[in-house]
Amino acid sequence: SQQGEEDPQALSIQEGENATMNCSYKTSINNLQWYRQNSGRGLVHLILIRSNEREKHSGRLRVTLDTSKKSSSLLITASRAADTASYFCATDHTNYGGSQGNLIFGKGTKLSVKP
Amino acid sequence: AAGVIQSPRHLIKEKRETATLKCYPIPRHDTVYWYQQGPGQDPQFLISFYEKMQSDKGSIPDRFSAQQFSDYHSELNMSSLELGDSALYFCASSLGGAGFLEQFFGPGTRLTVL
Repeated sequence: SQQGEEDPQALSIQEGENATMNCSYKTSINNLQWYRQNSGRGLVHLILIRSNEREKHSGRLRVTLDTSKKSSSLLITASRAADTASYFCATDHTNYGGSQGNLIFGKGTKLSVKP
Repeated sequence: AAGVIQSPRHLIKEKRETATLKCYPIPRHDTVYWYQQGPGQDPQFLISFYEKMQSDKGSIPDRFSAQQFSDYHSELNMSSLELGDSALYFCASSLGGAGFLEQFFGPGTRLTVL
């Protein structure tokens, strides 16, 4: 079954507003990563948060991780039209206490930022 | 900085044909992962290699095979292509085979099977 589930599936906001996307997962993880994908293009790595971290910042991005609830959120502040893309969370697959490293992706949130 | 290189970027094949996709990881990265992303879908893990050995296997059909070469580049071989194989195929690389690290993705190969 899908490891990561994201909500909302689609989000439409105005430029300058904040966008919050959520991700939930089912099994233990070592880390959780967020990626951005412009339509039909490659996946751009945004940020990685480890299981022992609760919050991480990178520019206008803020990621939180709650391992007790098995959930993460990505906040984009002061959004711009160029932020329009799909955003995926991805968790590494923990196997027998270690990690093989392969990622399991959520369904993604399609963000549309209107100028 | 050098990124992951994939070739070709676009490929059109007929049903039952074969295709070979290539991936050149970021220099000094020793781990390669292959993912398949169908239209409107999330990427699905296919297979990975660490130090030229297969390290994990996901939902890769038996018709597909892959390997990692001595220079760490990897090739995904797909035979008896089906319409449902039409997808974006991504390669990602990282340093170290035990996870915990960022995976950097290539631009993808868009395969269309007619």
